Amino acid sequence: DTGVSQNPRHKITKRGQNVTFRCDPISEHNRLYWYRQTLGQGPEFLTYFQNEAQLEKSRLLSDRFSAERPKGSFSTLEIQRTEQGDSAMYLCASSWGPGSTDTQYFGPGTRLTVL
Amino acid sequence: GESVGLHLPTLSVQEGDNSIINCAYSNSASDYFIWYKQESGKGPQFIIDIRSNMDKRQGQRVTVLLNKTVKHLSLQIAATQPGDSAVYFCAERGYGQNFVFGPGTRLSVLP
Repeated sequence: DTGVSQNPRHKITKRGQNVTFRCDPISEHNRLYWYRQTLGQGPEFLTYFQNEAQLEKSRLLSDRFSAERPKGSFSTLEIQRTEQGDSAMYLCASSWGPGSTDTQYFGPGTRLTVL
Repeated sequence: GESVGLHLPTLSVQEGDNSIINCAYSNSASDYFIWYKQESGKGPQFIIDIRSNMDKRQGQRVTVLLNKTVKHLSLQIAATQPGDSAVYFCAERGYGQNFVFGPGTRLSVLP
């Protein structure tokens, strides 16, 4: 399978714990995005990388969230001191750019449940 | 702030009929729009996109229409099939690579 992969697929954690998710984009894609999706809502943009550079970050993103893409390939999203409100599906997408269009390919997501 | 919304939260159509899913957006500066399909337990799947310098774009069984005057986007699915049942999202690119998604419309295809 050469699509976007995410691990783990599910994560259950207790409030206050730290969690880290991994995204492996399509290999030739230089752009990588993280989104959060809650039940019944559309995905919400969190952050965007072009190669290893984090170029955009949502103003709504708490300081407890951090993302990295150290070698311009896979990316990690860490949430520190998790809260129940962090429970959501975390989606990763990748694409190739620059260009006037941006066909993003999404992974299956990591579902986080904070108890 | 910028926002993307959908007029109809649910849509039920008979198999074989055409479906039209609508979306309103508020950011007149948005230059690019995408429709996604999301099935239960899966990530969104790209369907079709359109740039702001176009009014219409066609794909296989799908057509996207963009009306910049009233800031409206629609997705037309021809000869709707059971496999089309899913939640459909429109998304707009307003600033940089910040894509704003609407809340989604659930399409149910009736046999």
